[in-house]
Amino acid sequence: DAGVIQSPRHEVTEMGQEVTLRCKPISGHNSLFWYRQTMMRGLELLIYFNNNVPIDDSGMPEDRFSAKMPNASFSTLKIQPSEPRDSAVYFCASAFWVGRQETQYFGPGTRLLVL
Amino acid sequence: AQKVTQAQTEISVVEKEDVTLDCVYETRDTTYYLFWYKQPPSGELVFLIRRNSFDEQNEISGRYSWNFQKSTSSFNFTITASQVVDSAVYFCALSETQFTQGGSEKLVFGKGMKLTVNP
Repeated sequence: DAGVIQSPRHEVTEMGQEVTLRCKPISGHNSLFWYRQTMMRGLELLIYFNNNVPIDDSGMPEDRFSAKMPNASFSTLKIQPSEPRDSAVYFCASAFWVGRQETQYFGPGTRLLVL
Repeated sequence: AQKVTQAQTEISVVEKEDVTLDCVYETRDTTYYLFWYKQPPSGELVFLIRRNSFDEQNEISGRYSWNFQKSTSSFNFTITASQVVDSAVYFCALSETQFTQGGSEKLVFGKGMKLTVNP
C-alpha cells in the first residue's frame, strides 16, 4: 500500500512568494496532521484534521499560514507570503482514528528553503 | 502540559555495542500513549512502536527493546548489538489527549537523540 505522499519533495523560493505544499494521506485514514521540523524548535504540530475538519490549528505560526482539506484524500498547506524563517522540513502524517490514539504515519517531508 | 525529555542529544558507539536511549515524559492524563520514531539520514520519520499507559510489559522486537516504567515516567529504548544502519535520530513522543470535538490526539515530541554507529 502507498504511504503518505507529499509534494514537492524540495522547494526553493524567494521571500514574498506563495508556497503550496501538498499531501495525500494513506487511503482509509481519517486524521491528517501537518508538522514542521527545524533545528531550533524540533518537530512542531501546526494543524490537524479529523474527517476533513480542522480540529486544532493552535500551532499555526501566523496568518500567513493556512491549511485546507477539501476531501479525504488531499490536503494543502499554504504560506503566503513566505519568509526566510519559514525554511524548514514540513511533514504530513495520517492516522486512522477510531476513538483512541492511533499511530501516525509520516510522509517523506517537503524541504522548503525561502531565500 | 505534556512534555517529553530526551536528555541525551547525541551518542556515538561502535558496531555491536548495546545502546539505550532515554525518554522521560510528563503528563496529567491517566490514559496516554507513547511512541518511538526513527529518522534516518534520508529524512523520513519511521514508526517503531506505540505503547498505551496501561501496558507496562516490556517489548522486544529483534534487536530492539523497550522498557516502560510508569513509576519513573520513562520509556527507554535499547538497541542490542548495534549496526551502522541504526544510525539515525530517534524521537520519543507522547500523545496529548483531547476530547473536545472528538478526534485523534496530538503528539508531543522530544527533541530527538542522534545515534551514530561506527563500523
